[in-house]
Amino acid sequence: AQTVTQSQPEMSVQEAETVTLSCTYDTSESDYYLFWYKQPPSRQMILVIRQEAYKQQNATENRFSVNFQKAAKSFSLKISDSQLGDAAMYFCAYRSASFTDKLIFGTGTRLQVFP
Amino acid sequence: DSGVTQTPKHLITATGQRVTLRCSPRSGDLSVYWYQQSLDQGLQFLIQYYNGEERAKGNILERFSAQQFPDLHSELNLSSLELGDSALYFCASRAEGVYGYTFGSGTRLTVV
Repeated sequence: AQTVTQSQPEMSVQEAETVTLSCTYDTSESDYYLFWYKQPPSRQMILVIRQEAYKQQNATENRFSVNFQKAAKSFSLKISDSQLGDAAMYFCAYRSASFTDKLIFGTGTRLQVFP
Repeated sequence: DSGVTQTPKHLITATGQRVTLRCSPRSGDLSVYWYQQSLDQGLQFLIQYYNGEERAKGNILERFSAQQFPDLHSELNLSSLELGDSALYFCASRAEGVYGYTFGSGTRLTVV
């Protein structure tokens, strides 16, 4: 069974600085998708960025980028020029490309942003 | 507004009771997923429906059941409620050929 591990329960960053959140996963599949979701205090789940495993190029969305290392089964999220509004829980998630396409989530990393 | 509607937003009920949570997916999305998020926990997959049929089951208790109706809305039924069932219940939907998911704003269930 696939698992997702986020080893950093909490992280903090100063406004305008850069922070990297770690995520590792375990799978025997070769085709899959990876996601980072943000959950602010409102509890809404917001998609931050996604990556297809067959793409070698790392995904980027404005200030958010990933470092996808398929062989190492690592999928870290880098937030550049951090803003106060980035403070939230961040969840890494895995989805198989097979018939069973549910999302498997890590336990989350709470990011604090200090002015 | 994400396009996925969950009702009610908040629900307080007593132990032993039964409740029904409702989810309307984004227009045209055939897949509906239910997740449970307990306090300070990650999201646990409960069950998935695709166009009215159950497609996958996760760690869903026997006291819980779900269904998806012909108009594609879904209901999650929780019975014989226990204090430990208090959680945020999310519904998500996904369009065919799209690998991203859209989440609703969740139903916060408190069992007292």
